[in-house]
Amino acid sequence: DTAVSQTPKYLVTQMGNDKSIKCEQNLGHDTMYWYKQDSKKFLKIMFSYNNKELIINETVPNRFSPKSPDKAHLNLHINSLELGDSAVYFCASSQVGAGVGNEQFFGPGTRLTVL
Amino acid sequence: SQQGEEDPQALSIQEGENATMNCSYKTSINNLQWYRQNSGRGLVHLILIRSNEREKHSGRLRVTLDTSKKSSSLLITASRAADTASYFCATSTTDSWGKLQFGAGTQVVVTP
Repeated sequence: DTAVSQTPKYLVTQMGNDKSIKCEQNLGHDTMYWYKQDSKKFLKIMFSYNNKELIINETVPNRFSPKSPDKAHLNLHINSLELGDSAVYFCASSQVGAGVGNEQFFGPGTRLTVL
Repeated sequence: SQQGEEDPQALSIQEGENATMNCSYKTSINNLQWYRQNSGRGLVHLILIRSNEREKHSGRLRVTLDTSKKSSSLLITASRAADTASYFCATSTTDSWGKLQFGAGTQVVVTP
């Protein structure tokens, strides 16, 4: 009964490659997010989707392209991977709206290592 | 830019002691949340305090919020080895569509 799941858990790849990370939530939430956590554990939001529509794009290079086929899924595709993309990527979901606290539920993370 | 800043960056205590960590932020908020991250895992929501609340309790956790000082504190009472983790504060503003701004975290080590 996993709430937010991500695949793969680990991803090791060469510079210049293209890779995808998948995320699914079974909480019935309308909003999903991608975060990047760097080596110093600083967590920064990248994207947010509400009901399959992009609502937050935090000046992320356009090599990163999120896709939400439905409100339960938010995938992240990264083109032309660079060394600086090495990080842990977290997917999260929440219910957003008036009077809702928007507590976020996080997936287990995908550790991306670019060589 | 980083919205929340936690203090201290690291905290080492013995089981049974209390752990207190602070968070300061820069802009007006709708609510402030605390999350825990165990090593190699995702973040887990602990507690949310709204901007019109001053204190909240959940089990061994006590959170305070001072909006005039733009600061919050998280107190873990009677700590256990299982409380060893990184703790993050995160702020949300009214028009942010649920976007959370996280601080850099406080790494807490509880020694048996």
